[in-house]
Amino acid sequence: DIQMTQSPSSLSASVGDRVTVTCRASERINRYLNWYQQKPGKAPELLIYAASTLQSGVPSRFSGSGYGTEFTLTISDLQPEDFATFFCQQSYTTPYTFGPGTKLEIK
Amino acid sequence: QVQLQQSGPGLVKPSQTLSLTCVISGDSVSTNSAAWNWIRQSPSRGLEWLGRTYYRSKWFNDYALSVKSRITINPDTSKNQFSLHLNSVTPDDTAVYYCTRDFLGTDLYEKFDYWGQGTPVTVSS
Repeated sequence: DIQMTQSPSSLSASVGDRVTVTCRASERINRYLNWYQQKPGKAPELLIYAASTLQSGVPSRFSGSGYGTEFTLTISDLQPEDFATFFCQQSYTTPYTFGPGTKLEIK
Repeated sequence: QVQLQQSGPGLVKPSQTLSLTCVISGDSVSTNSAAWNWIRQSPSRGLEWLGRTYYRSKWFNDYALSVKSRITINPDTSKNQFSLHLNSVTPDDTAVYYCTRDFLGTDLYEKFDYWGQGTPVTVSS
C-alpha cells in the first residue's frame, strides 16, 4: 500500500495568515493527490484534486501544488471558517490511502 | 446535485454482520463515470478506504486487503443504492462509516466528491 504522511500534525494560525501543509507519498503518484477539509462531526469535503485543481465552489484562497511524492496545500488569508482538519489522499491506485491529517487551530 | 443518504444500525454485536445502505440521488449507481465506495474513520485507524463497486459494461468490486475476507459491497439498481456488509465484526471495527462517490472526470483523475452524512457504528455486546 502507498503510505501517506503529513506535516505538521497540527498548527496554530490567526485570521489573515497564510499557512502551508505538506503531504508526502511513499512512492511516486504523479499528480494523483487530493485534499479534503473536515470539520467536527461532518464528512470530509473535497478541496483540491489532481494536486492543484480547485473543486468547484472552493474559494481561491486554497491552492495546491506538487508532483511525484511531495505535495503542498496552501491557504492564504485564513478565514474563521477555514479552521478544521485537512487530509491528503492518493488516487493513484487502490487501496486508496489517506494521510493522518493536519489540524488547523486558531491562535 | 448528488446526495448520498446512509442508513443502518449504530450498534452491532461482536461476531455479527455490520450492514449499511447508501441511497443515491442525482446520479446512477450504474454510471460509467463513477465508483461507489465505503470509507471508515476511527481515532486509531484514521480514514480507511474499505472498498468500492462500479459498472463498466459489467460490475466490478475492489476491496481493501485488511477486510477482503469479510466484506461485500453490492449495488442495487432497482433502488439506486449500494450496500456494505462486513461480517465477523470485532470492537476494532468501531468507526464512523461513510459512503462516497468516486468521480472519474474527463481528465481521468478520481476524487471523492460527494459523501454521505456518516454513520457512527459501535461494535459491543
